[in-house]
Amino acid sequence: DTGVSQNPRHKITKRGQNVTFRCDPISEHNRLYWYRQTLGQGPEFLTYFQNEAQLEKSRLLSDRFSAERPKGSFSTLEIQRTEQGDSAMYLCASSFGSHLDEKLFFGSGTQLSVL
Amino acid sequence: AQKITQTQPGMFVQEKEAVTLDCTYDTSDPSYGLFWYKQPSSGEMIFLIYQGSYDQQNATEGRYSLNFQKARKSANLVISASQLGDSAMYFCAMRERNTDKLIFGTGTRLQVFP
Repeated sequence: DTGVSQNPRHKITKRGQNVTFRCDPISEHNRLYWYRQTLGQGPEFLTYFQNEAQLEKSRLLSDRFSAERPKGSFSTLEIQRTEQGDSAMYLCASSFGSHLDEKLFFGSGTQLSVL
Repeated sequence: AQKITQTQPGMFVQEKEAVTLDCTYDTSDPSYGLFWYKQPSSGEMIFLIYQGSYDQQNATEGRYSLNFQKARKSANLVISASQLGDSAMYFCAMRERNTDKLIFGTGTRLQVFP
């Protein structure tokens, strides 16, 4: 069990550029979640996958955001035409199932700064 | 409507003392789960403890216990014998039966001093 891995750890970009983040979940986990966390706030749900199917997207996720999980393994989160308001920590988490007590295992996050 | 409320932005506790971090929640679903996570400065969210809405006894995990008062809709985290390494952000979270995501509170920053 190598844990949830996220890359890169930090990303600095200029407004208007596109960025892509990667998440590698724990290998036997079939669920993968993306959260966004701004300073002083708790993580906010963005979207999640069961295997390769994207089952839910938050209204927070504008059309500039897209997430994929090809083959039900790693996932990518792309932000197009970044804005300063996109600056945040992007957290990925995975879990094995959907039971009520199923805990999420989180990665260390990708800190995005949009200049 | 806010589903998870953590009213303490920051708490201080002396090493070896116990501390209680407050959490109240709001749901109409009779079946739900409550979680506490710790987030040190490294950023990773670390699972601490879980309480199910139908659990009869308060959950305990080592130095962590959850004071679950269902009628009051509160799920306070109690850390006994605080250690310097307990200094971190602490988040309360809830999952309802009909959703598949955790909803988090705004967190409490705990600082343990010698």
